[in-house]
Amino acid sequence: SQQGEEDPQALSIQEGENATMNCSYKTSINNLQWYRQNSGRGLVHLILIRSNEREKHSGRLRVTLDTSKKSSSLLITASRAADTASYFCATDAKGNTPLVFGKGTRLSVIA
Amino acid sequence: NAGVTQTPKFQVLKTGQSMTLQCAQDMNHEYMSWYRQDPGMGLRLIHYSVGAGITDQGEVPNGYNVSRSTTEDFPLRLLSAAPSQTSVYFCASTSAGSNNSPLHFGNGTRLTVT
Repeated sequence: SQQGEEDPQALSIQEGENATMNCSYKTSINNLQWYRQNSGRGLVHLILIRSNEREKHSGRLRVTLDTSKKSSSLLITASRAADTASYFCATDAKGNTPLVFGKGTRLSVIA
Repeated sequence: NAGVTQTPKFQVLKTGQSMTLQCAQDMNHEYMSWYRQDPGMGLRLIHYSVGAGITDQGEVPNGYNVSRSTTEDFPLRLLSAAPSQTSVYFCASTSAGSNNSPLHFGNGTRLTVT
């Protein structure tokens, strides 16, 4: 069963706009990770945020984590057509168990 | 470095046939895992290994076997293929426990069982 659930399932925006995706999870975690998947390819790691961190940045990406609400968000600023992909959050359900992935958000950036 | 290499890229099987999906990594990662990806279901963990000689079951292990005789290789065997095993299969690896460091994924094997 999925630990994380992304919202929305699909998102379509214009190039230059910001894109926000959310992830909710059910149990306590050590870390939460975000991945991107381009069509027909494997997943690529974007960012890892630890349970004691509240916000993390990497280039145009900003990730927040609210452990009290068991939720995280991924913000992509000034989106580009190349950002078109599916985005997944992944969590460790309890302690040192393997990562469990959500169902993903499909982002379409229209030029 | 090639990273994580999966072969074949595509495969069509008839119901009841067996086959092995290959996965190799050249990063000396201890941890390796297999996921399947189905439309609307995200990625689900099949089996994983924390080191050579050690394997464990994930969320959906039925119908699949794995072994880990070397650090580099982690093959996934389908014993008797069923249409329900039609999916895209991804192998992933990392240098430590997967919750502490990023997973590196292969580009997948697209399997169709008729």
